[in-house]
Amino acid sequence: QVQLQESGPGLVKPSETLSLTCAVSGYSISSGYYWGWIRQPPGKGLEWIGSIYHSGSTYYNPSLKSRVTISVDTSKNQFSLKLSSVTAADTAVYYCARVHSSGYSYHDAFDIWGQGTMVTVSS
Amino acid sequence: DIQMTQSPSTLSASVGDRVTITCRASQSISSWLAWYQQKPGKAPKLLIYKASSLESGVPSRFSGSGSGTEFTLTISSLQPDDFATYYCQQYNSYSPSLTFGGGTKVEIK
Repeated sequence: QVQLQESGPGLVKPSETLSLTCAVSGYSISSGYYWGWIRQPPGKGLEWIGSIYHSGSTYYNPSLKSRVTISVDTSKNQFSLKLSSVTAADTAVYYCARVHSSGYSYHDAFDIWGQGTMVTVSS
Repeated sequence: DIQMTQSPSTLSASVGDRVTITCRASQSISSWLAWYQQKPGKAPKLLIYKASSLESGVPSRFSGSGSGTEFTLTISSLQPDDFATYYCQQYNSYSPSLTFGGGTKVEIK
């Protein structure tokens, strides 16, 4: 079955860039679907960060757009998140996920999620 | 941006109770709404999509209804495994963002 696994540093210093990767198994990213990043600060709700298609088309949350870059590497069957100029407010569990439908839109629910990775921003 | 408001934020209930959670959108989202269940330390699990469609494998005691700006998630008979936090999410194509509600925690009474 399709599985997603996030990886990356658990601790990032303020003003630096947070970098995470989501490895996909059981499905080829090149075959379709939008793939997304969602985060959840400790004890708080969920926030969509952005989504990407295998072609490289990206869509970002306007509130984060100036700091976010999502990219895809189809040869490695993975996609990545970079968030620049981080502050303590970016401390959160970061999830990668796949949308529910194989249509050509990022406007969708997320039906397959990674387990999440905790990233703390602190000096 | 479309804002999603859930109520109540916390709900105390007993096994066997019928439970209803409400999600309101700041503008019409047609039926483009999903519901998730999240347990501590786990990723959210999709329960309902397109407001009322039950995701494969989800027990039939879960149901969703509504359209436009007001939506409900109903658990017909609360089971021990259902104590968790529930989130709604809008995915209307007129909004550049996907947005989630603030969550409803279902606790044991």
